[in-house]
Order: sequence, then structure tokens, then C-alpha cells
Amino acid sequence: DIQMTQSPSSLSASVGDRVTVTCRASQSISSYLNWYQQKPGKAPRVLIYGASSLRGAVPSRFSGSESGTHFTLTISSLQPEDFATYYCQQTYSSPYTFGQGTRLEI
Amino acid sequence: QVKLVQSGGEVKKPGASVKVSCKASGYTFTDYGLSWVRQAPGQGLEWMAWMNPDNGHTKYAEKFQGRVTMTTDTSTNITYMELRSLRSGDTAIYYCARDRLYDWNFHPADFWGQGTLVTVSS
Repeated sequence: DIQMTQSPSSLSASVGDRVTVTCRASQSISSYLNWYQQKPGKAPRVLIYGASSLRGAVPSRFSGSESGTHFTLTISSLQPEDFATYYCQQTYSSPYTFGQGTRLEI
Repeated sequence: QVKLVQSGGEVKKPGASVKVSCKASGYTFTDYGLSWVRQAPGQGLEWMAWMNPDNGHTKYAEKFQGRVTMTTDTSTNITYMELRSLRSGDTAIYYCARDRLYDWNFHPADFWGQGTLVTVSS
């Protein structure tokens, strides 16, 4: 199975901050990497797919990038509604594993 | 609009089976795949299964092989996930999600059901 190592596991930040979450794959996954946001009691919501493509209706302050097996989710200027848990997921090879999650707190 | 509506919560005893349904609407059912993802209390997301409802092709996480079966009824646009031989560690919220039809596609799980809590307790 492909392991997705996500860091940090938690992060404290303030409104307006620039925040970066990283995910490292245990082997090459091409660009088959998605980023999800989940708020308490809610289903996940996709933000980024194909490593860097912004899903429709997702604010442009979210962006994704890749470098080999390293993937990054960046929020350019945190807004109050961005405080949530973020997950990466590889969809290159079954099982389509998720990272452990990053809890973004105020 | 695209909607996925799941069946209600279930309480099961260890060793029993559970079958969760997910009714899709607002899009052509056979144009997209469907996945099941679960989340144990306070834990992260865990991918379980995927199906192409157009040809019936399925993929299951090895961890659940032999215990999970995903089926669809294209006449009613309902997908089912059955998990057998339940144990306490299967207590979780189970989500269905609209997903890609083919595994070479980058399309993500873009619409999700509301989740179904399955509690396994003696």
C-alpha cells in the first residue's frame, strides 16, 4: 500500500496567516493527489484534485503544488471559515489512502 | 443538483452484518463512480471501496477483502455497502461519495452523502 505522510498533525495560526500543509507519498503517485477539508460533524469537501487543480467554487486562496512525491496545500490568507481538518488522498493505486490529517486551529 | 442521501444509523452486535444504502440524484448515475469512506470516532478518513456502476467493476481495500461488498441498482440509482462479521473497531461514520468512473481519471470524490453512523456493540 502507498503510505501518505502528512505534516504537521496540527497547526495553530491566525486569520490572515499564510499556511502550508505537506503530504509525502511513499512512492511515485504522479499527480493523483487530492486535498479535502472537513469541518466537525460534516462530510469532507474536495478543494484540490490532480495535485494542483482548484475545484470549482473553492476560493482562490487555496492552492496545491507538487515536487516529486512531495505535495503541498497552501492557504494564502487564512479566513475564519478555514479552521478545519485537512486531508490528502492518493488515487494512483488502490487502496486510495488518506494522510493522517492536519488540524488547523486558531 | 447532485445529492447523495444515505440510510439512517444502525446499531449492530459483533458478528452481525450491516447494509448501508446511498441514493444518488441530480446526475447521470452511470457517468460517475462511487466510493465508500469511513471515519471512526475522532479518527481520520479510511478508503474502503469503489465501483464503476456502468460495468460493475469494483475495487476493495485489502483490509476489508472478504468482509465488504459494494453493489448498485442502476434502475433506482442506489448503491449499497455491506460489511459482514462486524467488530467493535468497525464503529464509524460511513460515507458514500461520487467519484471517478475510471481509475486513470483525475476526477475526485466531489459530492458526499451525509454519513451513516454504524455502532457495533454487544
